Amino acid sequence: QQKVQQSPESLTVSEGAMASLNCTFSDGTSNNFRWYRQHSAKGLEVLVSIFSDGEKEEGRFTAHLNRANLHVSLHIREPQPSDSAVYLCAVSMTGNYKYVFGAGTRLKVIA
Amino acid sequence: AQTIHQWPVAEIKAVGSPLSLGCTIKGKSSPNLYWYWQATGGTLQQLFYSITVGQVESVVQLNLSASRPKDDQFILSTEKLLLSHSGFYLCAWSLAQYEQYFGPGTRLTVL
Repeated sequence: QQKVQQSPESLTVSEGAMASLNCTFSDGTSNNFRWYRQHSAKGLEVLVSIFSDGEKEEGRFTAHLNRANLHVSLHIREPQPSDSAVYLCAVSMTGNYKYVFGAGTRLKVIA
Repeated sequence: AQTIHQWPVAEIKAVGSPLSLGCTIKGKSSPNLYWYWQATGGTLQQLFYSITVGQVESVVQLNLSASRPKDDQFILSTEKLLLSHSGFYLCAWSLAQYEQYFGPGTRLTVL
């Protein structure tokens, strides 16, 4: 059964500094990876999706995928206080409609 | 215009009472639909998914059921609520297996 773990549990960064979040998964056949963020128990906002090894950039958000290492990361460039939220990693597989989420990283950006 | 609506916004119910939560998707033809549950401070868990009208697949058993009576409608229900059903319920849609888009959620408190 797929297990998705995120680290760190919480992260505080200064405005403008790079924020880096990590996600590891257990099923090496997974090929659908997404990062979402959630503000205070509200709906989720998709940030970036990645399906093959390498890098995918969406604005200030960049995802890096290394399937051999079972690892996907999210880097937030020039974070703002409004980026403070819980960031969630979701893993699935094409053809499989089941999505497994990590527990999240709570990011706080201080001015 | 909001594409996905969830109702009610919040609900307070007694243990043993019935529950019905709804989700409608506007402007999308034949979307895939999903129900998720998140305990307070907990990990987002997928409950059900539906690829077509009348067909619903269960992912996690929580003494809940789901139905898709129309192409744009997804219903989550139970005849008898448990304390453990409290939490935040999110509906989501996607086209094929592209990004999932989440609704604003329903906060359920079971007393």
